Amino acid sequence: AQSVTQLDSQVPVFEEAPVELRCNYSSSVSVYLFWYVQYPNQGLQLLLKYLSGSTLVKGINGFEAEFNKSQTSFHLRKPSVHISDTAEYFCALAHGGATNKLIFGTGTLLAVQP
Amino acid sequence: DAGVIQSPRHEVTEMGQEVTLRCKPISGHNSLFWYRQTMMRGLELLIYFNNNVPIDDSGMPEDRFSAKMPNASFSTLKIQPSEPRDSAVYFCASSIDRLSSKHFGDGTRLSIL
Repeated sequence: AQSVTQLDSQVPVFEEAPVELRCNYSSSVSVYLFWYVQYPNQGLQLLLKYLSGSTLVKGINGFEAEFNKSQTSFHLRKPSVHISDTAEYFCALAHGGATNKLIFGTGTLLAVQP
Repeated sequence: DAGVIQSPRHEVTEMGQEVTLRCKPISGHNSLFWYRQTMMRGLELLIYFNNNVPIDDSGMPEDRFSAKMPNASFSTLKIQPSEPRDSAVYFCASSIDRLSSKHFGDGTRLSIL
């Protein structure tokens, strides 16, 4: 069975500081990995995705993530955060060929403080 | 461009009542998904349609839940009778096909008293 683990429920960080949001997954088959962002009272918006190829994936708003197969991780990073990055971030997994069925992690609240 | 449109944005009703949530996908998108978000269970896929046909409804919690997609521009999720444990935010999402990135609506916040 596939699963996604986001160990940090909340990550506080000061504005302009770097941030890393952790995501680990479990799957016995090849996977596609995604990061979504959810702003208050809104739906989810795709930040970036890893399907194949380069393990370093760049997304919108200056975010990037690195797929690490040996560590089964897909951590999200940003070198300098802004107040506007405050939101809930979800890591999601789909096994190869079935991206219709995304398995979501429990989310990490990124709280950027001035 | 209009995104995925859901209505109502908020719904408060008493248990036992019928609840109907509505979704208009992005024009040209052939796949439509219904998700439920709760604090306890996170985001769960309830059902998805491809070309208006239900493909996988294994996430639908029980017979009280039903979903339809009578045409390419409209879908409903119905709960009858509703129960307090159905309280959640329900999201609709659409994509060009089942493998493409999903576009989410802003959700319907449902409260069953």
